Amino acid sequence: NAGVTQTPKFQVLKTGQSMTLQCAQDMNHEYMSWYRQDPGMGLRLIHYSVGAGITDQGEVPNGYNVSRSTTEDFPLRLLSAAPSQTSVYFCASTGRETQYFGPGTRLLVL
Amino acid sequence: AQSVTQPDIHITVSEGASLELRCNYSYGATPYLFWYVQSPGQGLQLLLKYFSGDTLVQGIKGFEAEFKRSQSSFNLRKPSVHWSDAAEYFCAVAPNTDKLIFGTGTRLQVFP
Repeated sequence: NAGVTQTPKFQVLKTGQSMTLQCAQDMNHEYMSWYRQDPGMGLRLIHYSVGAGITDQGEVPNGYNVSRSTTEDFPLRLLSAAPSQTSVYFCASTGRETQYFGPGTRLLVL
Repeated sequence: AQSVTQPDIHITVSEGASLELRCNYSYGATPYLFWYVQSPGQGLQLLLKYFSGDTLVQGIKGFEAEFKRSQSSFNLRKPSVHWSDAAEYFCAVAPNTDKLIFGTGTRLQVFP
């Protein structure tokens, strides 16, 4: 049981490049979410999903896309990276009244 | 609007001393309340949660928190801090177990 896994751990992008942050969970949780963490701002919700095929926006969705084709996977896409998207990204899944967080992806956009 | 305030950005304590981290929230009803800990370079780990019932909640690693409705607070406490408790602590509020709203965090430093 790996819990919530995220890849890559670290990524450097140039402005305008695209990439996908991967997130997977093996706990069969329906609810999954993406947060970004910035210094002095805590974690802010980007997008979330209540099950396969269902996604919705969180507090800071602009510049990010998500999809949920399976229960296990919830990738986050940056279509055209901007320096303002430099952050640490956490994926989480919810089960047994608890959100379980992945180890995070540190993204630097130059 | 729902919000969480952690007024202390950085706290320093000596090992063995007691600890209290403050958390105040703004919410229309009784929310679900959480405390998470984040060690450097790591993800977030749940320390404890409050949904209803007894207002004093026990968590892992010897932590406890008390829900005070009249003060809209959910302060985290530990009677004796260990060096391994050095980390960043986040309070969070939510209408259920989803869509957590996090405070800005309190960084705890422990001196030997």
